[in-house]
Amino acid sequence: GAVVSQHPSRVICKSGTSVKIECRSLDFQATTMFWYRQFPKQSLMLMATSNEGSKATYEQGVEKDKFLINHASLTLSTLTVTSAHPEDSSFYICSATVTSGRNNEQFFGPGTRLTVL
Amino acid sequence: GNSVTQMEGPVTLSEEAFLTINCTYTATGYPSLFWYVQYPGEGLQLLLKATKADDKGSNKGFEATYRKETTSFHLEKGSVQVSDSAVYFCALSRHQAGTALIFGKGTTLSVSS
Repeated sequence: GAVVSQHPSRVICKSGTSVKIECRSLDFQATTMFWYRQFPKQSLMLMATSNEGSKATYEQGVEKDKFLINHASLTLSTLTVTSAHPEDSSFYICSATVTSGRNNEQFFGPGTRLTVL
Repeated sequence: GNSVTQMEGPVTLSEEAFLTINCTYTATGYPSLFWYVQYPGEGLQLLLKATKADDKGSNKGFEATYRKETTSFHLEKGSVQVSDSAVYFCALSRHQAGTALIFGKGTTLSVSS
């Protein structure tokens, strides 16, 4: 199956700093990538949809100036959490989709656990 | 709008017990349906899927049947193992290209020996 990687897997940072998370599709080209956020013992909540070469589409309530998304190529999307605060501590998961006809299967990265002190 | 409702957990079972995790959905049209599993400390893995009514998805002894008449996609396994302990998410996706998955809240399964 298709493989999606995320880097780093874990990051601890001080409040006020920025953190960049990379999401890569390793063996396929993904025109669309999604960023989700998961709080402990809760479901995944979609943050934004990232299309290669265009601006990301953010879900209601997600601050686009705080969560910067760049989809620079068909295999790479990055999420930058700017001026992170403890409430941004969460598990961030990306997925990449291969679209072909009716197939909208998504492949998930292993996630990045962000802890803001 | 589209939504997914899963039974509340946690579900606690003994090894070799029968498992059912209920999932119902609300959607326009005919979505694809998925079950994902998340083991402790890991990301999501696709467990099984079904893309049209009456399809049965199966993998690793787990099964789920796409029931359009009851808008359900219940997950079942005849004999659970300790290694099945994880969080299970039901999700749907519209066939439209480039749309995100909509997840249920997840059900935690704990299997003891």
